[in-house]
Amino acid sequence: RKEVEQDPGPFNVPEGATVAFNCTYSNSASQSFFWYRQDCRKEPKLLMSVYSSGNEDGRFTAQLNRASQYISLLIRDSKLSDSATYLCAVNPTNNAGNMLTFGGGTRLMVKP
Amino acid sequence: GAVVSQHPSRVICKSGTSVKIECRSLDFQATTMFWYRQFPKKSLMLMATSNEGSKATYEQGVEKDKFLINHASLTLSTLTVTSAHPEDSSFYICSASRSARGEQFFGPGTRLTVL
Repeated sequence: RKEVEQDPGPFNVPEGATVAFNCTYSNSASQSFFWYRQDCRKEPKLLMSVYSSGNEDGRFTAQLNRASQYISLLIRDSKLSDSATYLCAVNPTNNAGNMLTFGGGTRLMVKP
Repeated sequence: GAVVSQHPSRVICKSGTSVKIECRSLDFQATTMFWYRQFPKKSLMLMATSNEGSKATYEQGVEKDKFLINHASLTLSTLTVTSAHPEDSSFYICSASRSARGEQFFGPGTRLTVL
């Protein structure tokens, strides 16, 4: 089993739709979780951190389910500009010196 | 805040030459920087973790003599691809971490093409 797993997609959704991605992780001791967005041929950009209490930023909501060891990203009212690959990342400790383990990414395509 | 620059953005070189890529954290000090490579439509692959003032930690399968990493200061890490070959052609991305939670901020990447 991979340390961090994502459904590669693609998820094809119409504009205005709500879409959700999950990301499972194998290390139950993991402490920090993040969602990144990566556009084609660009670097990943931090979208949001995932806190135990959940995190909402506009149309984006991230949640953590420790019991089932997954994090989720919900996008409401999808825009064409949301089309990208979404990467989840897990840090096994709260230590900046630790590497992040990235999932393989989920590709989202929002269509008119 | 949390801006990371990377230079050059694109390199085309002949086989056998060495290429140096610089990664700078512009508005924060990063004790740890990371180097990744990414092939088209593939996921990020961590190559090495670079700590200021000490030797880099390389991931399994990454040749340290092939990919030389120097982390001379809290804001600068360099990756040198030595004696580059066409199979080294890839997208190289650095990142830097600034907080205890460990979120990483990425540079814009360097697209290397070896002819």
